[in-house]
Amino acid sequence: ETGVTQTPRHLVMGMTNKKSLKCEQHLGHNAMYWYKQSAKKPLELMFVYSLEERVENNSVPSRFSPECPNSSHLFLHLHTLQPEDSALYLCASSEDWVTDTQYFGPGTRLTVL
Amino acid sequence: GESVGLHLPTLSVQEGDNSIINCAYSNSASDYFIWYKQESGKGPQFIIDIRSNMDKRQGQRVTVLLNKTVKHLSLQIAATQPGDSAVYFCAEKITGANNLFFGTGTRLTVIP
Repeated sequence: ETGVTQTPRHLVMGMTNKKSLKCEQHLGHNAMYWYKQSAKKPLELMFVYSLEERVENNSVPSRFSPECPNSSHLFLHLHTLQPEDSALYLCASSEDWVTDTQYFGPGTRLTVL
Repeated sequence: GESVGLHLPTLSVQEGDNSIINCAYSNSASDYFIWYKQESGKGPQFIIDIRSNMDKRQGQRVTVLLNKTVKHLSLQIAATQPGDSAVYFCAEKITGANNLFFGTGTRLTVIP
């Protein structure tokens, strides 16, 4: 069973809503990641946090806002999303940013109406 | 981005047969590779990894082969079982870079 949990597992929201995705890792890792997974496309890295500091932002629109209050928790705040933002959002963690193996959570299936 | 791709998008095998899933990469500076399995409704699950100083690595029922000459990676699953049905994708890490680059995946279907 994965040591990375995500809530909610499913989310439907309108374009004017504000919602947040939550990720928690129980592995004692120092790095956490947000990925977007769309059908028939490779995983797209969105954000990387290392020791609670954002170290990577892959040209993600500002309607996605990450937050890392501590090394075990990661949030993705959503605001004014577009239908094309509908996807599976995956959280992952690794021992540290340079450690190769990342462990994933089950994802949040997001639908934007 | 990096060209981490798969030769076949789908693969069907009979239960009990061996499965081979392939992955091509384009960057000769890639030094670390991972295979992930993603079942329906779940996140990717780590299966096995290999570093570029190795040609082969074995796990439980799985073997990863790395051919650096042709930049090719394969995952072999022995005695494939229905529970192996999933999307499998490879990821690579380039020397000096911190991020993983992922392929699009191959869907493996095991026929009972």
